[in-house]
Amino acid sequence: KQEVTQIPAALSVPEGENLVLNCSFTDSAIYNLQWFRQDPGKGLTSLLLIQSSQREQTSGRLNASLDKSSGRSTLYIAASQPGDSATYLCAPTGRGSTLGRLYFGRGTQLTVWP
Amino acid sequence: GAVVSQHPSWVICKSGTSVKIECRSLDFQATTMFWYRQFPKQSLMLMATSNEGSKATYEQGVEKDKFLINHASLTLSTLTVTSAHPEDSSFYICSARGQGPGATQYFGPGTRLLVL
Repeated sequence: KQEVTQIPAALSVPEGENLVLNCSFTDSAIYNLQWFRQDPGKGLTSLLLIQSSQREQTSGRLNASLDKSSGRSTLYIAASQPGDSATYLCAPTGRGSTLGRLYFGRGTQLTVWP
Repeated sequence: GAVVSQHPSWVICKSGTSVKIECRSLDFQATTMFWYRQFPKQSLMLMATSNEGSKATYEQGVEKDKFLINHASLTLSTLTVTSAHPEDSSFYICSARGQGPGATQYFGPGTRLLVL
């Protein structure tokens, strides 16, 4: 069974800092991996999707890397802003019999203060 | 991006009543919809996967007779919590995925259920 771990569990930083959020997963046989953002009491917003054949994906100040063989993905947030405060979730997608299924960790709760 | 809606956004009900939650994909056809439950400070737990026109596949430990899922069209899936009890109080989130194995999943805004 796929297990997803995210480190750190929580992060509190002043605005302007460059951040690194780590995600590890136990089964490297994934189809792709998504990073999501969840605001308190809200649903999930997809930030980036990396195909299993890709090494990284960028969107604005966000960059996600994927090392499938070692079961790791990293989300980089450049020049953090208070509006980035949220919980960030990574979710690898299963393949084969679990194709399309997302596996979630507990996320990294990020607070960016002015 | 694609939009998925949920209704209602929150509901309070008495113990023993049934509650229906709707999940709609507004601008795309969702061949597969997923239902998740999330407790405070916890991750999303997949409850079931539903494909349009077929029976839902439930995860281990999820009672199919308690959590009834219907996916009657490519844009609508419903989750009915039957005979709700206080322990069913949670945040329920649906997601919808288009065609193709690598299609992105889009999530609804969630429904907060409180059973008194």
